[in-house]
Amino acid sequence: NAGVTQTPKFQVLKTGQSMTLQCAQDMNHEYMSWYRQDPGMGLRLIHYSVGAGITDQGEVPNGYNVSRSTTEDFPLRLLSAAPSQTSVYFCASSPQPDSNTGELFFGEGSRLTVL
Amino acid sequence: GQQVMQIPQYQHVQEGEDFTTYCNSSTTLSNIQWYKQRPGGHPVFLIQLVKSGEVKKQKRLTFQFGEAKKNSSLHITATQTTDVGTYFCKSGAGSYQLTFGKGTKLSVIP
Repeated sequence: NAGVTQTPKFQVLKTGQSMTLQCAQDMNHEYMSWYRQDPGMGLRLIHYSVGAGITDQGEVPNGYNVSRSTTEDFPLRLLSAAPSQTSVYFCASSPQPDSNTGELFFGEGSRLTVL
Repeated sequence: GQQVMQIPQYQHVQEGEDFTTYCNSSTTLSNIQWYKQRPGGHPVFLIQLVKSGEVKKQKRLTFQFGEAKKNSSLHITATQTTDVGTYFCKSGAGSYQLTFGKGTKLSVIP
């Protein structure tokens, strides 16, 4: 069982470039989310989804787009990368739509540097 | 989502000493979860507390949920080098916007 798989693990971009961080889970979880982690800032929610076709904004959504066409996949798109988006990104999923009670399963993270 | 404040931000202890991190909210929480992130790793779920005054133990780790369900603590007895990492609390409170505390980074000096 692979769990939550994120790709790529590392990426360097130039300002203005676009890219997609991929996230896939094989646990049939309804809830998926993206967090960014910066030193001293903890984990901040970017976007989340409670099921296929449904997405919503988290705490820091600006500069990021998401889509959820299938239960398994939840890609995060940076349309025009900025140095402020240099961070470690984590995808997480949960087995319960009401994820107040479901534990979060995290991917291994994607470290993004924007020059 | 509900905001949770976590203190301290950093803690350095000598191996064998105890360690405690606290998670506080100004409003009542439906539940609290604790996660551990090893250096260079990803957060891993440790435990969930739901009931007022609940206490749970995992070996040397003791987790408590306050009577008013506004605060929680994680206590480690006799720390070991394997306890190194950042400990996060996460609130659950009727929203899909799951809010994490900023974490307590634990360093253990051998």
